[in-house]
Amino acid sequence: NAGVTQTPKFQVLKTGQSMTLQCAQDMNHEYMSWYRQDPGMGLRLIHYSVGAGITDQGEVPNGYNVSRSTTEDFPLRLLSAAPSQTSVYFCASSSRDGASYEQYFGPGTRLTVT
Amino acid sequence: AQKITQTQPGMFVQEKEAVTLDCTYDTSDQSYGLFWYKQPSSGEMIFLIYQGSYDEQNATEGRYSLNFQKARKSANLVISASQLGDSAMYFCAMREAAYGYQLIWGAGTKLIIKP
Repeated sequence: NAGVTQTPKFQVLKTGQSMTLQCAQDMNHEYMSWYRQDPGMGLRLIHYSVGAGITDQGEVPNGYNVSRSTTEDFPLRLLSAAPSQTSVYFCASSSRDGASYEQYFGPGTRLTVT
Repeated sequence: AQKITQTQPGMFVQEKEAVTLDCTYDTSDQSYGLFWYKQPSSGEMIFLIYQGSYDEQNATEGRYSLNFQKARKSANLVISASQLGDSAMYFCAMREAAYGYQLIWGAGTKLIIKP
């Protein structure tokens, strides 16, 4: 199992550009989510999905779009990049089975917007 | 209001000593869960331990234990016999019904183990 994979690992964008961060999981997990981690801070929830075709907003959704057409994939789109979106982005997945909903994380994408 | 509060931005601890990392939380849900994750300097998120709100016993995983005091809304992580490899950021997080059981995170504690 590859677990949760994210591409790219690093990205530099100019202000106003758009791009898509890719996330895939091979554990057949129902839940997937995107977080951002700013320097010296904890993670903040951007968007999440409880199953294919179902997405919802997290704590900091502005400037981002998501879709979930398959169980495996959950891409995050930056519509018009801003320097405030410079951050490390983590994708995570978890299963409804079990008591904990333990989240499995991808390695992260480090994004710099200039 | 902060949902998860970690009041110790940084801690220095001597190797082999036990260390307690503080976490308080705020929720009105009866059913919730509390997690601790470790983030070494390499950046990955490593799951350490979980405590459910209905669990009567404190959770333990090897050298990690969670001191759960429900009435005080406190979920402190205890690391016994600290090792140099324990140096990392430690995050407390909570899942509740809001946001589809995804996690809300504290700001973290940077733990440095001294030889």
